[in-house]
Amino acid sequence: QQQVKQSPQSLIVQKGGISIINCAYENTAFDYFPWYQQFPGKGPALLIAIRPDVSEKKEGRFTISFNKSAKQFSLHIMDSQPGDSATYFCAAIREHKLTFGKGTLLTVNP
Amino acid sequence: NAGVTQTPKFQVLKTGQSMTLQCAQDMNHNSMYWYRQDPGMGLRLIYYSASEGTTDKGEVPNGYNVSRLNKREFSLRLESAAPSQTSVYFCASRAGLAGYNEQFFGPGTRLTVL
Repeated sequence: QQQVKQSPQSLIVQKGGISIINCAYENTAFDYFPWYQQFPGKGPALLIAIRPDVSEKKEGRFTISFNKSAKQFSLHIMDSQPGDSATYFCAAIREHKLTFGKGTLLTVNP
Repeated sequence: NAGVTQTPKFQVLKTGQSMTLQCAQDMNHNSMYWYRQDPGMGLRLIYYSASEGTTDKGEVPNGYNVSRLNKREFSLRLESAAPSQTSVYFCASRAGLAGYNEQFFGPGTRLTVL
């Protein structure tokens, strides 16, 4: 049973465009929702995170939108840059344990 | 401040061999975790240690054992490696159990079991 579903699997965006990655969760007991960024050969690193009582959080070019009633959240990357090319994972936390989505490979073409 | 370190970076084993993956953190974190990452599967929790002296199973614990040696170190042992354990293994740590505590990941160990 996959508790966090992530889409799309891969995404190609032109430089300057908007990248959008979506996640949906099933367990309403999740209480924190982080996004991780992973470059090839490296470990994941926290990018941005949101609590379920907040509908939107913005940090620089990265924004999380959260819809509690729909049990969905998404990552928006504005003005996407080639340096943003990486794999992005959404996650949901319950009792300090993370459940990850399967990841989205983002490629930003120059 | 090295963060989370893992050794070795790469390892090739034959089926049935045993090995221990080492992990250490220098951030004085209480909680430590072991994950495996497989293509198209995301990261899955193998074992975790909420605090020094405790360990618990995660989502995929079969075939693995762990030891929380002290507050800094958390090792993962494969007693009899199988090809299905070919994966990239990540260790992580966090200061506390609250959801907002950031989880920091190591650089990973790429393991191949032949």
